Amino acid sequence: SQQGEEDPQALSIQEGENATMNCSYKTSINNLQWYRQNSGRGLVHLILIRSNEREKHSGRLRVTLDTSKKSSSLLITASRAADTASYFCATDLTGNQFYFGTGTSLTVIP
Amino acid sequence: SQTIHQWPATLVQPVGSPLSLECTVEGTSNPNLYWYRQAAGRGLQLLFYSVGIGQISSEVPQNLSASRPQDRQFILSSKKLLLSDSGFYLCAWVQSYGYTFGSGTRLTVV
Repeated sequence: SQQGEEDPQALSIQEGENATMNCSYKTSINNLQWYRQNSGRGLVHLILIRSNEREKHSGRLRVTLDTSKKSSSLLITASRAADTASYFCATDLTGNQFYFGTGTSLTVIP
Repeated sequence: SQTIHQWPATLVQPVGSPLSLECTVEGTSNPNLYWYRQAAGRGLQLLFYSVGIGQISSEVPQNLSASRPQDRQFILSSKKLLLSDSGFYLCAWVQSYGYTFGSGTRLTVV
């Protein structure tokens, strides 16, 4: 089935550095979303990028989408310890179902 | 305001016992509702989704079932739990920008 795959699986950086996570998927999509999950909690929606968009910004977040390569990246600039979490991409094929990747675990060291 | 409620937060159940997890949404009508399961350190697996009362679609065959007795209520059930049913269960409903997730239920089958 269609599913995003995040890369890397785990990432550890120093506070203040930028963190980049990548997501690849297999088939055409309507849109792609990024979510954040703190340990043991539900997922929180971060940003949605539509298939006809190439880049989107929200605060310290920057998301790019390359539909020719079927890939997306999430950049968190000037990271903070509070950014420590798992990040998931989700692809929307039909508007009714979203398929999640296995996530990138980000650790920001103070 | 639009909110989603999921309970209980944690549950420890013996093998062979029944299960009932409930999810309700407020502030919307006729939402598309979803049940996901997340195994430890893994991504989210879509279990069921519902586009209306009494309408349930199952993504994977399993020991679980779902029901939607009311417009804003979505229930995940099992008649006899297996050890492999342990995991983190998340209810969600979809809005124009993506999912809003509940806080999750941590189920441990012992």
